[in-house]
Amino acid sequence: GAVVSQHPSRVICKSGTSVKIECRSLDFQATTMFWYRQFPKQSLMLMATSNEGSKATYEQGVEKDKFLINHASLTLSTLTVTSAHPEDSSFYICSARDRGSGSGKYNEQFFGPGTRLTVL
Amino acid sequence: KQEVTQIPAALSVPEGENLVLNCSFTDSAIYNLQWFRQDPGKGLTSLLLIQSSQREQTSGRLNASLDKSSGRSTLYIAASQPGDSATYLCAARQGGSEKLVFGKGTKLTVNP
Repeated sequence: GAVVSQHPSRVICKSGTSVKIECRSLDFQATTMFWYRQFPKQSLMLMATSNEGSKATYEQGVEKDKFLINHASLTLSTLTVTSAHPEDSSFYICSARDRGSGSGKYNEQFFGPGTRLTVL
Repeated sequence: KQEVTQIPAALSVPEGENLVLNCSFTDSAIYNLQWFRQDPGKGLTSLLLIQSSQREQTSGRLNASLDKSSGRSTLYIAASQPGDSATYLCAARQGGSEKLVFGKGTKLTVNP
């Protein structure tokens, strides 16, 4: 149980184009999903918290107009990198929390396999 | 602001050796601390999660300890195997938040 998938696993695009990454919880419902970014040899950094049916909460320094997040259902959140540039090339990982676990301190986030974005 | 540090950044050991990976955090007000494994180009595999009220967790050859007062956690791997080669990440979940703060990881290589 508690499987999270991401699609695509790898994407290469030209500078200036937009790229959409999907994050799905396969066997549970997730009211909250999280988007992280990982640059080479760096730690994962939380970009934003995605809440089903409401606006995402972005971390300081993350441009909300550049990284559009949509959490339209309890099993799907999407991250769209708009007008991508080479500096956006990174590994993007999502995680999801089981709706049934609540936001209490004993809940756990389950991570997807990640999406490697390369912007030429 | 929480900061998580992992030492060493890289570690190479011969097969069969027992080893310890270290994780330190600056803010002791955490809900839990979690250890992950990450293979090259892959996502995260959760290994152990220690709640703030716990001192340690064990799973097979892995044992993780937590000392909140000193801001430290260790991951002990017994009888290491080449298949254990990966990057190990620790992450602290802030109290009152769902945010996970990650360290940069320790890249472990177990040589046959």
